[in-house]
Amino acid sequence: QSALTQPPSASGSPGQSVTISCTGTSSDVGGYNYVSWYQHHPGKAPKIMIHEVNKRPSGVPDRFSGSKSGNTASLTVSGLQAEDEGDYYCTSFAGNSWVFGGGTKLTVL
Amino acid sequence: QVQLVESGGGVVQPGRSLRLSCAASGFTFRSHAMHWVRQAPGKGLEWVSQIWGDGSNKYYAESVKGRFTTSRDNSKNTLYLQMDSLRGEDTAVYYCARDGQQLMKYTMDVWGQGTTVTVSS
Repeated sequence: QSALTQPPSASGSPGQSVTISCTGTSSDVGGYNYVSWYQHHPGKAPKIMIHEVNKRPSGVPDRFSGSKSGNTASLTVSGLQAEDEGDYYCTSFAGNSWVFGGGTKLTVL
Repeated sequence: QVQLVESGGGVVQPGRSLRLSCAASGFTFRSHAMHWVRQAPGKGLEWVSQIWGDGSNKYYAESVKGRFTTSRDNSKNTLYLQMDSLRGEDTAVYYCARDGQQLMKYTMDVWGQGTTVTVSS
């Protein structure tokens, strides 16, 4: 199972919006509505930000939103804040297995 | 609160074995499938394995199939990863993660802080 494709980096100024894409295939992203997004800071536990494409767990700011079209999922962070910096990973269920994206380093300028 | 704590990492020679543990607390352990996920140095996250809540089904990434075995002891609220025939490419931080089940389907909703495995001669 090949990794999902994410841009290695993304950036924006405080208050701006940024969108991170996650491209897979019909065997994973396109085949299931089970895409999740995680925020990860080195040395810490990854944190779930979005599950099942566009559902936001309690405690996650509504500035974070998810969507999917075909084989590509997206995470949008609106109204960027300094604390949003970190590595973001998408993952998709792929039928008794899971596949992650390579990760995107989000920088708040 | 819900907590996962991994242990058992260390430095091991290629070809040798190592067993990781993940102690769970704060939730009904047997009601949740569990995952192992790893991150090699400078790389992204990689799913390794999943085991169902009752241990009846287990799934593995192709990269570890036949070498790694996931198990659990629900009486001890503990998840295990037995790693045999270790290779340099298995060097990584290993995380255990809880499956969200019905509340967050096919999602790893809670993660531990990880334990580091280094395979080197």
